[in-house]
Amino acid sequence: AQTVTQSQPEMSVQEAETVTLSCTYDTSESDYYLFWYKQPPSRQMILVIRQEAYKQQNATENRFSVNFQKAAKSFSLKISDSQLGDAAMYFCAYRSAGDTDKLIFGTGTRLQVFP
Amino acid sequence: GAGVSQSPSNKVTEKGKDVELRCDPISGHTALYWYRQSLGQGLEFLIYFQGNSAPDKSGLPSDRFSAERTGGSVSTLTIQRTQQEDSAVYLCASSLVRGQPQHFGDGTRLSIL
Repeated sequence: AQTVTQSQPEMSVQEAETVTLSCTYDTSESDYYLFWYKQPPSRQMILVIRQEAYKQQNATENRFSVNFQKAAKSFSLKISDSQLGDAAMYFCAYRSAGDTDKLIFGTGTRLQVFP
Repeated sequence: GAGVSQSPSNKVTEKGKDVELRCDPISGHTALYWYRQSLGQGLEFLIYFQGNSAPDKSGLPSDRFSAERTGGSVSTLTIQRTQQEDSAVYLCASSLVRGQPQHFGDGTRLSIL
């Protein structure tokens, strides 16, 4: 079975600085997808960024980028030029490319942003 | 609608009662998912619908949990004889088709007294 681990329960960063959130996963599959979701206090899960395992190039979405290391099964999220609105819970998630469409989530990292 | 809509937003009920949680997906989305988020935890998959059928219901924790989807749209998650350990936020998501990004609702916070 696949698992996702986020070893940082909480992180903090100063506004305008850069922060990296860690995620590791375990799978025997070769084809899959990885995601970072943001959950503000409103509870809604917002997709931040997505990475296909077959792509070597790291995904980037504006201030958000990932460092995908397939051999190490590592998928970290880098937030550049942090903003107060980035404060939220961040969840790493895995989805198989096979028959099941479910997302498997880590336990999350709470990010605080200080002015 | 513009996004996934869930109701009620909050539900408080007594242990042993049955509850129904509703999810209205984004119009035209064929895939629908239910997840459960216990306090301080990540999301736990419950069930996945493609149209009105549920190809994967592997995450339902017990036979007290059931879900249906009618007309390829609205879904209801029913919990019978609720227990305190059922207290959690229940999140629904939908995607245009299987494999596309999942869009989440705001969830229903269920509290069992």
